[in-house]
Amino acid sequence: GAVVSQHPSRVICKSGTSVKIECRSLDFQATTMFWYRQFPKQSLMLMATSNEGSKATYEQGVEKDKFLINHASLTLSTLTVTSAHPEDSSFYICSAIAGAGGETQYFGPGTRLLVL
Amino acid sequence: ELKVEQNPLFLSMQEGKNYTIYCNYSTTSDRLYWYRQDPGKSLESLFVLLSNGAVKQEGRLMASLDTKARLSTLHITAAVHDLSATYFCAGLTGTASKLTFGTGTRLQVTL
Repeated sequence: GAVVSQHPSRVICKSGTSVKIECRSLDFQATTMFWYRQFPKQSLMLMATSNEGSKATYEQGVEKDKFLINHASLTLSTLTVTSAHPEDSSFYICSAIAGAGGETQYFGPGTRLLVL
Repeated sequence: ELKVEQNPLFLSMQEGKNYTIYCNYSTTSDRLYWYRQDPGKSLESLFVLLSNGAVKQEGRLMASLDTKARLSTLHITAAVHDLSATYFCAGLTGTASKLTFGTGTRLQVTL
């Protein structure tokens, strides 16, 4: 099956710094990728939809200036958490759809962010 | 806006027993998905249900979809400890392929 990777798997940073998380589709081209955030013992909440070559679409309540998304190629989307604060500590998961109108989202392994 | 609810939120069951997890959704959903999540891990896709009356089975898990009732179920047969995990259902709406996740059901299978 299709494989999605994320890097890093785990990151600890100081408050006020920025952190970049990469999401790659390894064996397929993904015109659309999604970014989710999951707090402990909670469900996944969609943050934004990332489309290759265009601006990301953010869900209501998600600050686009804080969570910068770039989808520069068909196999890579990045999420940058700018000026991170402890409340941004969470599990960030990306997913990708193979091709336009694909029915299956392939999920990455997730990135655990801890902001001190 | 699609809303997805699951119950129960937590389920403790003995090995060998059967149980069902319920997933209700609020508006028409194009597809219904079931995922498994182990602690500290990402999601593993279990089933995708495309139409009314769809039933899929894999091992001890069986998922079904009733679009008229806006209900999907995940039935566990003769549970084993390895099935302990959190299970999520998710509905898909619109052309943007956005998933809305349920609250999740944490399943604990005891010996």
